Amino acid sequence: EADIYQTPRYLVIGTGKKITLECSQTMGHDKMYWYQQDPGMELHLIHYSYGVNSTEKGDLSSESTVSRIRTEHFPLTLESARPSHTSQYLCASSNFAEAFFGQGTRLTVV
Amino acid sequence: TQLLEQSPQFLSIQEGENLTVYCNSSSVFSSLQWYRQEPGEGPVLLVTVVTGGEVKKLKRLTFQFGDARKDSSLHITAAQPGDTGLYLCAGPQRVGFKTIFGAGTRLFVKA
Repeated sequence: EADIYQTPRYLVIGTGKKITLECSQTMGHDKMYWYQQDPGMELHLIHYSYGVNSTEKGDLSSESTVSRIRTEHFPLTLESARPSHTSQYLCASSNFAEAFFGQGTRLTVV
Repeated sequence: TQLLEQSPQFLSIQEGENLTVYCNSSSVFSSLQWYRQEPGEGPVLLVTVVTGGEVKKLKRLTFQFGDARKDSSLHITAAQPGDTGLYLCAGPQRVGFKTIFGAGTRLFVKA
């Protein structure tokens, strides 16, 4: 059983609101990831971290930002949510090969 | 840049049929992983293959790693509706070990 947790599981929020999606892992993994995924579609990497104080943008451009102040915590923030941000957001962590995913946050911006 | 290409993109079959999906790259990988994702959930790791030519079995699922460690296949025998989902292959980049994913094969098994 993977020890990686995302909250909230579901979020419906109005346009213009600031939101933070939480992701925590207890496996001590250095690498953490945020993916965006629309229904029936592939995973798109939006943020990546090699370790504490190390973050970089992923393959898909995103208006969100991330921080990595502690190994176990990798939150994602949207300063001003828009309907185009509606999607599923998945957090993952890995060590040398295998990645473990949280259950995801389904975000709906109305 | 190391890339993983999966085929087919979509597969719809009847219960009881056999199927094979593929994961190919022009690059050598130290290992490859297979994941299954159900709607609304995160992907779940099924298996890791490490040695060229390696074959691993997980009930009705058989995973094979190519001899040159550039490709892998997943064979499902007598597919069941419960096998429906998105099957993803992934592997660590040579430098930094960042995990990269293929686009996936979406499997639908009809009862």
